[in-house]
Amino acid sequence: DIQMTQSPSTLSAFVGDRVTITCRASQSIGTWLAWYQQKPGKAPKLLIYTASNLETGVPSRFSGSGSGTEFTLTINRLQPDDLATYYCQQGNGFPWTFGQGTKVEIK
Amino acid sequence: EVQLVESGGGLVQPGGSLSLSCSASGITFNNYWMHWVRQIPGKGLVWVSRIQSDGSSTNYADSVEGRFTISRDNTRNTLYLQMNSLRAEDTAVYYCARGQWGAFDMWGQGTVVTVSS
Repeated sequence: DIQMTQSPSTLSAFVGDRVTITCRASQSIGTWLAWYQQKPGKAPKLLIYTASNLETGVPSRFSGSGSGTEFTLTINRLQPDDLATYYCQQGNGFPWTFGQGTKVEIK
Repeated sequence: EVQLVESGGGLVQPGGSLSLSCSASGITFNNYWMHWVRQIPGKGLVWVSRIQSDGSSTNYADSVEGRFTISRDNTRNTLYLQMNSLRAEDTAVYYCARGQWGAFDMWGQGTVVTVSS
């Protein structure tokens, strides 16, 4: 199975900051990488697919990059509504696997 | 309205069975792969199973292979998950999700499955 490792596990930042979350795959997955935002008690929401494509309706302050084994999710101008846990997920081969999550807190 | 709505969750004893359903509306259901994903409360997301758009191909996580069966009825726009020989470690929120571009682009609200005596 392809292992997905996210870092950090938790991050705390101020409103308006730029934050970056990293996701590493245990083997190359091309650009078959997605990012999700999950708020407490809610289903995950797709933010980015195929590494860098912004899902319709997602604010442009979210962006994704990377290929192969290393990927990043960047949130520009962090907003209070961005308080959530973020997950990466590979869709290159079954079983599709997720990172362990990064909890974003607002200072 | 475009949505996925799961049902069928509940409390079941270890070794028991449960059948989940996911009703789709507002989408061309038979165009898409469909998946089940689960999440233990407070923990991460785990992919469980996937079925091809026409139902001809399925995949399962090792942890459920041989115990769970995914199926779909494209005439009813409904996805199913038959869960047998349930274990305590199957306790989770179960989400159905639409697959596209190697991602889950649409999710249901989830249904809670609790396996306990």
